[in-house]
Amino acid sequence: ELKVEQNPLFLSMQEGKNYTIYCNYSTTSDRLYWYRQDPGKSLESLFVLLSNGAVKQEGRLMASLDTKARLSTLHITAAVHDLSATYFCAVDGGDMRFGAGTRLTVKP
Amino acid sequence: DAGVIQSPRHEVTEMGQEVTLRCKPISGHDYLFWYRQTMMRGLELLIYFNNNVPIDDSGMPEDRFSAKMPNASFSTLKIQPSEPRDSAVYFCASGWELGYTFGSGTRLTVV
Repeated sequence: ELKVEQNPLFLSMQEGKNYTIYCNYSTTSDRLYWYRQDPGKSLESLFVLLSNGAVKQEGRLMASLDTKARLSTLHITAAVHDLSATYFCAVDGGDMRFGAGTRLTVKP
Repeated sequence: DAGVIQSPRHEVTEMGQEVTLRCKPISGHDYLFWYRQTMMRGLELLIYFNNNVPIDDSGMPEDRFSAKMPNASFSTLKIQPSEPRDSAVYFCASGWELGYTFGSGTRLTVV
């Protein structure tokens, strides 16, 4: 069964700082998705990565995919409070399995 | 496009009762997934369909759970009989390889 591991699970950072969330997975796949979830809300799609070396950027967030290393990263640049949320990666290995999520808190 | 529509938004039921959750996917999407989210277990894949056909139901916890997709525009997840440990948020998602959209979820409480 496909395993998806995210780290860290909890991240507290100050506004203006940079940080990276990591997503490792256990089997071959070239389709990976990043989602954001606010408390009590549904999951919102952030990025769709469909090939090795894919890089997508939106605002202060940038996601990349290395299928050889089975690794995706979500990089946060100059964090702001509005980015506080839980971030999930999901890997399509025939089905779509999610990591445990990274709960991000951005403090002033 | 109204997105993925789930109903009801909230459901409170007594242990032993039958519960039916409903999902209307986005038109044209090939895949439909049912997930369960809890604090302890995170997002668990229960079952998914491709073109209305169930592909993998290995995540369904036990025989009390069943799911159907009688046509491309409707799916149900049924729990019979319900138990307190079934309390969770149930999400439906539809899409294809270029991306998946989640519904608002159904918050189920079994007392």
